Amino acid sequence: ILNVEQSPQSLHVQEGDSTNFTCSFPSSNFYALHWYRWETAKSPEALFVMTLNGDEKKKGRISATLNTKEGYSYLYIKGSQPEDSATYLCASTGYSTLTFGKGTMLLVSP
Amino acid sequence: NAGVTQTPKFRILKIGQSMTLQCTQDMNHNYMYWYRQDPGMGLKLIYYSVGAGITDKGEVPNGYNVSRSTTEDFPLRLELAAPSQTSVYFCASTEGGGPSFNEQFFGPGTRLTVL
Repeated sequence: ILNVEQSPQSLHVQEGDSTNFTCSFPSSNFYALHWYRWETAKSPEALFVMTLNGDEKKKGRISATLNTKEGYSYLYIKGSQPEDSATYLCASTGYSTLTFGKGTMLLVSP
Repeated sequence: NAGVTQTPKFRILKIGQSMTLQCTQDMNHNYMYWYRQDPGMGLKLIYYSVGAGITDKGEVPNGYNVSRSTTEDFPLRLELAAPSQTSVYFCASTEGGGPSFNEQFFGPGTRLTVL
């Protein structure tokens, strides 16, 4: 069982603020790192799947970076909007399964 | 495509009752998973399957059973419901090649309460 840690646990920002979260995972036997966005009363939806050290992915105002040697990934949101309010989950994979962190809950106030 | 579907959406069970949570995917994915989500605890893997006829335990399998007779269906069975099984249950699937390369698609969840 992998140990995946996310910080902060929760975050409250104002509309227009930029923010970032951290995901830490074991760097040995690394396969892939996933980021999911989870809105209240819905199911998680994938943002990124990252496999290569130094990888950087972007989807609109959201981007993520990956450092497999030191075992961390950052998720950035530029110019947060109220619709960005959600829990953001990261997960590190073994060969067949994912181990999820507990998530970072983001609240963006208008 | 409907994606991943789960039934029922909600259920209340009495202690000791049994039930099956249904999960179906129409994407021809080999990998399927059952998770439970408890407040403040994130998603915990109960069981998973890498193909029809193959299942394996996850992190929290006690009190549950699964089967995978077809690619599409992956039901989760609770034999003797206990209050500790009160949770939200999510089914998910991933296409061939597994999670090392591919995202997971989640069903809408089943909220189960055991009283």
